[in-house]
Amino acid sequence: DVKVTQSSRYLVKRTGEKVFLECVQDMDHENMFWYRQDPGLGLRLIYFSYDVKMKEKGDIPEGYSVSREKKERFSLILESASTNQTSMYLCASSAMIQNTEAFFGQGTRLTVV
Amino acid sequence: RKEVEQDPGPFNVPEGATVAFNCTYSNSASQSFFWYRQDCRKEPKLLMSVYSSGNEDGRFTAQLNRASQYISLLIRDSKLSDSATYLCVVIANQGGKLIFGQGTELSVKP
Repeated sequence: DVKVTQSSRYLVKRTGEKVFLECVQDMDHENMFWYRQDPGLGLRLIYFSYDVKMKEKGDIPEGYSVSREKKERFSLILESASTNQTSMYLCASSAMIQNTEAFFGQGTRLTVV
Repeated sequence: RKEVEQDPGPFNVPEGATVAFNCTYSNSASQSFFWYRQDCRKEPKLLMSVYSSGNEDGRFTAQLNRASQYISLLIRDSKLSDSATYLCVVIANQGGKLIFGQGTELSVKP
């Protein structure tokens, strides 16, 4: 059974804290993604990575950074959490080949207070 | 203009109805197209891929119109269990980047 696992389902952090969201996949996928999902705005791409140590900015990278030191792990970092980063964060992975399905983790609901 | 745009929701339909969702995309070089389903408080899951010739899976039919840059999803004989948000997904031509529409909420009533 294929799996994308996010480290936490629910997280509460204080403004200004450094926050790490971890994502691990066991399918040997090249591509990994971080999205945030907000009501009325859908899924918005923060960053994606198509290989180890490779990353590209998505539509809303401001306030975030990422790390991909190993193929199976893609970390999202909030350098200094702010209340407007309260959201549902979803990690996904997919293979590089065309027309292939992307698999999602269960999501992390982050609240910044 | 958003890269991928969907019909605004919500769609409220009775059981047994036929409902259609449309989605337009702006990048003419886009290569792959999908419909995902997302249940409340759950992660998105693949419903079906969309092929150039159109494809069907039971009560679900997906079509692609490259000339007009839109894809569609038709659901026949709606069931209560079809209630969910349906997400249109396009893969851009570079590196497999997944781009989502904002989603359309469907509510099927008895």
